[in-house]
Amino acid sequence: KQEVTQIPAALSVPEGENLVLNCSFTDSAIYNLQWFRQDPGKGLTSLLLIQSSQREQTSGRLNASLDKSSGRSTLYIAASQPGDSATYLCAVMDDSGNTPLVFGKGTRLSVIA
Amino acid sequence: NAGVTQTPKFQVLKTGQSMTLQCAQDMNHEYMSWYRQDPGMGLRLIHYSVGAGITDQGEVPNGYNVSRSTTEDFPLRLLSAAPSQTSVYFCASSYSNGAGDRYFGAGTRLSVL
Repeated sequence: KQEVTQIPAALSVPEGENLVLNCSFTDSAIYNLQWFRQDPGKGLTSLLLIQSSQREQTSGRLNASLDKSSGRSTLYIAASQPGDSATYLCAVMDDSGNTPLVFGKGTRLSVIA
Repeated sequence: NAGVTQTPKFQVLKTGQSMTLQCAQDMNHEYMSWYRQDPGMGLRLIHYSVGAGITDQGEVPNGYNVSRSTTEDFPLRLLSAAPSQTSVYFCASSYSNGAGDRYFGAGTRLSVL
């Protein structure tokens, strides 16, 4: 059974700092991996989707990498801002492409002005 | 384009009552799913559907029913509410089973007394 772990569970950084959020998964036979953002009391917003054949995806100040063989993904946030404060969730789909997402429990990020 | 719409946003039920959580999407997505989110547990899949007339169980299906009579709608029914079903419920959709982004609704916050 696929399990997704996110470390750390919570992170507090000063504004302007570059930071890395980690995601690991136990079964490397994945179809894709996705990073989401969730603001308090809100739904999830998709940030980046990495297909299994890709190594990374970039969107603005965000860069997500994927290393299937080691079962790891990182989300890099450059020049963090207070508006980046949210919970970041990692989710994987197994390689049949026919299964639902399996989510990690998230990393709660606070960016202090 | 409304995306994924969930109603109601909040609901309080008494133990034993039944209700239906509504989910509708206007993106012509084939794949729809329901998750519940509980503190410390992350997001867990309840039921999902790969198209009209097709549904399947997720990780925590007990106490819930679904049907998919149209592409647009995927209601979740609580047959006899229990306090253990107090949670935040999210509906999600994507244009195919796994290839695309998942779009999430804003959630329904349910309390069962």
